[in-house]
Amino acid sequence: GQNIDQPTEMTATEGAIVQINCTYQTSGFNGLFWYQQHAGEAPTFLSYNVLDGLEEKGRFSSFLSRSKGYSYLLLKELQMKDSASYLCAVKSGGSYIPTFGRGTSLIVHP
Amino acid sequence: DAGVIQSPRHEVTEMGQEVTLRCKPISGHDYLFWYRQTMMRGLELLIYFNNNVPIDDSGMPEDRFSAKMPNASFSTLKIQPSEPRDSAVYFCASSDSLGARTDTQYFGPGTRLTVL
Repeated sequence: GQNIDQPTEMTATEGAIVQINCTYQTSGFNGLFWYQQHAGEAPTFLSYNVLDGLEEKGRFSSFLSRSKGYSYLLLKELQMKDSASYLCAVKSGGSYIPTFGRGTSLIVHP
Repeated sequence: DAGVIQSPRHEVTEMGQEVTLRCKPISGHDYLFWYRQTMMRGLELLIYFNNNVPIDDSGMPEDRFSAKMPNASFSTLKIQPSEPRDSAVYFCASSDSLGARTDTQYFGPGTRLTVL
């Protein structure tokens, strides 16, 4: 089985930088996704990491360390519209279907 | 592209009634997934299909739940009889591949089910 841990909730200020961590315990790691989900809406794809290192995409970056079972999502120049839940999802054990964490609710305030 | 389409968007029913949720995947996508999301358990995979064939239904909670995919453009998730603990948001998602580097799943808007 898998165990995926994320903080339940985080708050940050508009214009600041926030890092959302995700740790996982699994066998046969096969890739890690980050999804964004606004309240009452569907999850939407943000990033995918399968190799160690940092993947940058505009204001969002995602980092992976396979040896540590650790990933983070970095959001820069925070905007009010970034208030959402951020889901970490891990593929492992030969399965191509990701298992989702419970998500981190990010609240951005002025 | 219209994206993944789900209906209804909201469903309120009474315990014991049959509930049918519907999904139209993105055209050309070979994989279709049904998820359930609750505050307590997060996003859970119920079942997924490949080329209309159910591949893994180990996430289906019990026999009251069933899913079908009669053709490439339509799937249903049925709960009979429904119970209050089935109240959740049910998402359908589709993907055009699995195992590729970026086998992204595209989610529909979800059906918010309330069983009284």
